Amino acid sequence: TQLLEQSPQFLSIQEGENLTVYCNSSSVFSSLQWYRQEPGEGPVLLVTVVTGGEVKKLKRLTFQFGDARKDSSLHITAAQPGDTGLYLCAGPANAGGTSYGKLTFGQGTILTVHP
Amino acid sequence: KAGVTQTPRYLIKTRGQQVTLSCSPISGHRSVSWYQQTPGQGLQFLFEYFSETQRNKGNFPGRFSGRQFSNSRSEMNVSTLELGDSALYLCASSLSQGARYGYTFGSGTRLTVV
Repeated sequence: TQLLEQSPQFLSIQEGENLTVYCNSSSVFSSLQWYRQEPGEGPVLLVTVVTGGEVKKLKRLTFQFGDARKDSSLHITAAQPGDTGLYLCAGPANAGGTSYGKLTFGQGTILTVHP
Repeated sequence: KAGVTQTPRYLIKTRGQQVTLSCSPISGHRSVSWYQQTPGQGLQFLFEYFSETQRNKGNFPGRFSGRQFSNSRSEMNVSTLELGDSALYLCASSLSQGARYGYTFGSGTRLTVV
């Protein structure tokens, strides 16, 4: 099973600040996904990156997939209290298309944005 | 369209009992996966079903089982409950290659074992 490491584990910032969350692995992933989860709810898919070097933007959120497809980052510009939540990166647990539903998740980053 | 529906939302059970959780995927989605989420271990994969067949299984004891019906609805069962089974159980669905392209998760069932 391929592993993912996320950093930082906790982020506490003021409204309007910028932040970056990192997701790293020693393995090559065919794709990586980012989810946001609020307390008591399931994760919500934000984006899937598939191509090495790919950059995707979702309003104030920018996602990047590393050229070697071993890492990804999530950058939030001008964070707002509504961005508060648990951010998770995830990817297929096995290489070669044999994951069949099994995702490897990073440990998550708990983001708190204070008004 | 309706999202992934999990029932019940909350459940309290006693050690030794068994429990059945239900998941209705998004209409047209044939792949259903189950995950256990705990503060210490994060999200851990339980199993995946596609067209009524279990295609993959995580490293959980045989007390954890599941099935999928012809309408793609899925159930998971945990027998002989232990305190450590207390967790948020999440169901996720996709058209087929959810591990590659992403899943839609339900809100989960919060199971507390006392």
